[in-house]
Amino acid sequence: GENVEQHPSTLSVQEGDSAVIKCTYSDSASNYFPWYKQELGKGPQLIIDIRSNVGEKKDQRIAVTLNKTAKHFSLHITETQPEDSAVYFCAASIGAYSGGGADGLTFGKGTHLIIQP
Amino acid sequence: KAGVTQTPRYLIKTRGQQVTLSCSPISGHRSVSWYQQTPGQGLQFLFEYFSETQRNKGNFPGRFSGRQFSNSRSEMNVSTLELGDSALYLCASSFRGDSQETQYFGPGTRLLVL
Repeated sequence: GENVEQHPSTLSVQEGDSAVIKCTYSDSASNYFPWYKQELGKGPQLIIDIRSNVGEKKDQRIAVTLNKTAKHFSLHITETQPEDSAVYFCAASIGAYSGGGADGLTFGKGTHLIIQP
Repeated sequence: KAGVTQTPRYLIKTRGQQVTLSCSPISGHRSVSWYQQTPGQGLQFLFEYFSETQRNKGNFPGRFSGRQFSNSRSEMNVSTLELGDSALYLCASSFRGDSQETQYFGPGTRLLVL
């Protein structure tokens, strides 16, 4: 099955600096890559996602890049703010073929992002 | 539109007991997936239901089961609880359950097995 590796496990950056989190996946059939943010006591919240027909996607301070050849994708957060402190998860899933069905998301182990004031 | 709701939020059980968790998806969503989150194993896919049918199942023992009702609400059941079942159980909903659809997560049910 799919395996997703995520690095680093902890990332501490100064407020206003950029943060980069990287993930690699094993199954070349994966074609959907969401990123989730999880705050203490809450469920994961989608912050951005990318599909395999796109190399980069940006939403204000957040961007995701995808390299299908190398099977890795990255989350970039610019101008970090205290409210960005949380655990971030990358995930991968294989698109539904005929017959449908959600194969389930395979998650990385998470990155604890700490924004230092 | 209300988000995904899960009940109860916290639960304490003892080994050998069974437990039932409930999930109400976002209105109009017909797919509900369940995940287990632990510090050691992270987030792992349990199973997914669509139109009252289980379409996919992760690598968990048969003690973990679920069902979905005609209104798309879902329950999961864990029988003969073990200490290792202590975890945050999350459900997520999406409209059709296609793998490229956004899945919206609930706040989770935190289960502690003593």
